[in-house]
Amino acid sequence: EPEVTQTPSHQVTQMGQEVILRCVPISNHLYFYWYRQILGQKVEFLVSFYNNEISEKSEIFDDQFSVERPDGSNFTLKIRSTKLEDSAMYFCASSLGQNNQPQHFGDGTRLSIL
Amino acid sequence: TQLLEQSPQFLSIQEGENLTVYCNSSSVFSSLQWYRQEPGEGPVLLVTVVTGGEVKKLKRLTFQFGDARKDSSLHITAAQPGDTGLYLCAGGDNYGQNFVFGPGTRLSVLP
Repeated sequence: EPEVTQTPSHQVTQMGQEVILRCVPISNHLYFYWYRQILGQKVEFLVSFYNNEISEKSEIFDDQFSVERPDGSNFTLKIRSTKLEDSAMYFCASSLGQNNQPQHFGDGTRLSIL
Repeated sequence: TQLLEQSPQFLSIQEGENLTVYCNSSSVFSSLQWYRQEPGEGPVLLVTVVTGGEVKKLKRLTFQFGDARKDSSLHITAAQPGDTGLYLCAGGDNYGQNFVFGPGTRLSVLP
């Protein structure tokens, strides 16, 4: 069964550095998402992306964050000037469509900011 | 802001027992999805419920969407150790894009 893949599985970065988290969504899916899960807390929506533009974003997704689909397969989340509180699991998801279509999640990237 | 609450937060039972976990909100959702998450992995979709009152069965798991589409329940019959995990509900807005997750119910099934 096709799945969403994320790389790297674990990223350790010094505070203030930039990180790029990568995702390969399921190939025929059109909608892409990033979520964050701080240790011990619930999964939080960051952003949704469709047709090469952001369709919705949460208040967490400020100017520090950006997303891109640089080619036909990758979907990236860039975090500029990382802060300690950015440490979390970051999950990518994709869905075939909107309107109640199920979202399929990758296994996440654990981001640790030192 | 739409919020989802889940209860109980933790549940530890013996193998073979039945259990029900709940997902509640004061908001109406166009759909609710149930996921199971293992440590170090992403949420894995179990089911999507869309219609108020809808009941779906997945082997020993029974999911129900409330008539008013504000709540949902997950019932597990004859629980097994392999059912151990974090059960998350997530609700979609009218467009189904912006998912709100509940905090989860952490289930432990002891052999």
